[in-house]
Amino acid sequence: NAGVTQTPKFQVLKTGQSMTLQCAQDMNHNSMYWYRQDPGMGLRLIYYSASEGTTDKGEVPNGYNVSRLNKREFSLRLESAAPSQTSVYFCASSRTGANTGELFFGEGSRLTVL
Amino acid sequence: QKEVEQDPGPLSVPEGAIVSLNCTYSNSAFQYFMWYRQYSRKGPELLMYTYSSGNKEDGRFTAQVDKSSKYISLFIRDSQPSDSATYLCAMKGSGAGSYQLTFGKGTKLSVIP
Repeated sequence: NAGVTQTPKFQVLKTGQSMTLQCAQDMNHNSMYWYRQDPGMGLRLIYYSASEGTTDKGEVPNGYNVSRLNKREFSLRLESAAPSQTSVYFCASSRTGANTGELFFGEGSRLTVL
Repeated sequence: QKEVEQDPGPLSVPEGAIVSLNCTYSNSAFQYFMWYRQYSRKGPELLMYTYSSGNKEDGRFTAQVDKSSKYISLFIRDSQPSDSATYLCAMKGSGAGSYQLTFGKGTKLSVIP
């Protein structure tokens, strides 16, 4: 009954360091997403993958890259972390064409960039 | 003007009160309207969804959409301390390519025993 699993849950980086956030879902969903959540800004879409083999930019893609490794896994990479990327990152998944808008979210990865 | 406006609160009510949470939006292409609930240090979870205008009821929760006014509401009857969370409205257009949800900033609700 895992749903969407994100690792790591917490990470502290120094400016300029790189890291990858991992996400895996076990619900056989086609679509996966990466959001960031900041106080006063709400949830903002970074990148999404409508299906295996495709990725598209969301609202705030600058400074990030993604890889849809297979149907289950969608990773988010910060190549050169900046303090502005301090945030809580959420991975989510959904069935293709889920018009109910039901995204299933992970528990989040809290990233601090010093 | 932001596409979706939501009062961040915080909103504090006594147990048993009726709670009204609201969002306004500007994009007339939005067709699907959702409410997500997010407990502290957890990911959001879908609470209610409504297609186009109208009401939808699920237990103590009622979602209303007024597309003519571009206004959506979530009502919680007989509020409980377990309802204490942040409530996020979200919406999207129709069509197979409409993958992106637009979220409000969330309203933090505290229900006091």
